[in-house]
Amino acid sequence: GQNIDQPTEMTATEGAIVQINCTYQTSGFNGLFWYQQHAGEAPTFLSYNVLDGLEEKGRFSSFLSRSKGYSYLLLKELQMKDSASYLCAVTGGTDSWGKFQFGAGTQVVVTP
Amino acid sequence: DADVTQTPRNRITKTGKRIMLECSQTKGHDRMYWYRQDPGLGLRLIYYSFDVKDINKGEISDGYSVSRQAQAKFSLSLESAIPNQTALYFCATSDGGGYGYTFGSGTRLTVV
Repeated sequence: GQNIDQPTEMTATEGAIVQINCTYQTSGFNGLFWYQQHAGEAPTFLSYNVLDGLEEKGRFSSFLSRSKGYSYLLLKELQMKDSASYLCAVTGGTDSWGKFQFGAGTQVVVTP
Repeated sequence: DADVTQTPRNRITKTGKRIMLECSQTKGHDRMYWYRQDPGLGLRLIYYSFDVKDINKGEISDGYSVSRQAQAKFSLSLESAIPNQTALYFCATSDGGGYGYTFGSGTRLTVV
């Protein structure tokens, strides 16, 4: 099985930087994904990491350390529209690459 | 048109009723999934299918059944709905690659 932990809520000011941590314990690992979900809407793909290191996509970056079972999502130059829940998801194990286990999500609140 | 379409978007049903949630996709993906989302619990996998002849239980399949009518269609049924099945249900598809899931818009189900 897999356990995925991330903080429940974080608050930050518009224009600031926020780092959302995710730790996981898995019996196998193929990749870690981050999704953004606005209230009442479907999650949308943000980034994924397969190898250790930092992946940068515009204002969003994601980091992975497989040996530590740790990832973070970095949101820079926060905008009000970034207020959303951010889901960490891990895929792996002996059965499939395509099946994900999700964390409960981190609600990010951006204040003016 | 959306890549992954779920119907209905909202549904209120009575305890003991049978209800079907439908999902269709135009992505051409072989892999389809049903998740439910509850506050504080994140997304939990109900059933998944890697092709038309392949159906697998997820972590919370009790009380649910599925049908994969075609590559593009994957339906979830609640045989006898109960109030603790009140949740937001998402269908998702995947090609098993590095872009993760494409989610439908969700079905908000309330069992009274």
